[in-house]
Amino acid sequence: GQNIDQPTEMTATEGAIVQINCTYQTSGFNGLFWYQQHAGEAPTFLSYNVLDGLEEKGRFSSFLSRSKGYSYLLLKELQMKDSASYLCAVMDSNYQLIWGAGTKLIIKP
Amino acid sequence: GAVVSQHPSRVICKSGTSVKIECRSLDFQATTMFWYRQFPKQSLMLMATSNEGSKATYEQGVEKDKFLINHASLTLSTLTVTSAHPEDSSFYICSAPIPGQDSNTEAFFGQGTRLTVV
Repeated sequence: GQNIDQPTEMTATEGAIVQINCTYQTSGFNGLFWYQQHAGEAPTFLSYNVLDGLEEKGRFSSFLSRSKGYSYLLLKELQMKDSASYLCAVMDSNYQLIWGAGTKLIIKP
Repeated sequence: GAVVSQHPSRVICKSGTSVKIECRSLDFQATTMFWYRQFPKQSLMLMATSNEGSKATYEQGVEKDKFLINHASLTLSTLTVTSAHPEDSSFYICSAPIPGQDSNTEAFFGQGTRLTVV
């Protein structure tokens, strides 16, 4: 079966750095996405990785290792507004997105 | 950038009535639209894929007659929840992949619709 695993909840301090991990087992691979979702709102696209390595976008970076079925989202200089759920999703061989359950990130002052 | 507009954002309806949710692509043509449902503290669940000019493809376990999807034009897809019941209360979200991209690399989401059936 297809499976996406990510931690349910994480807590971090404002100004710090946090890494959210995601491991996956899917039927084929056509890229991995990270989305941010605030409560009651639709997800917002953060990043897309299809090749191994690190993609950096401002305070957010995403890493992919296809051989290990592993990705992480790195958030630097955390701000209170970063409190949200972060969803990991993998596009399988049928170009459908398989979603993780999301990681709720709590930022404390 | 590409924008997907979904409305209404919130709707409360009586049990037994039908509710229509619209999803529009504002500056691009969406030949495909994905419809998701999300329960509290759970991930997105793909309900169906609508394709312009053809029948929607429903995921296993999703009732076709209850969740009617119409994709009549390249800019509009609708989801109608028929004979709604309290268990249909949920957050419904549409998304459209960006055309011209390989492997549908990125999808933009509508704002979502919070449906409450009383």
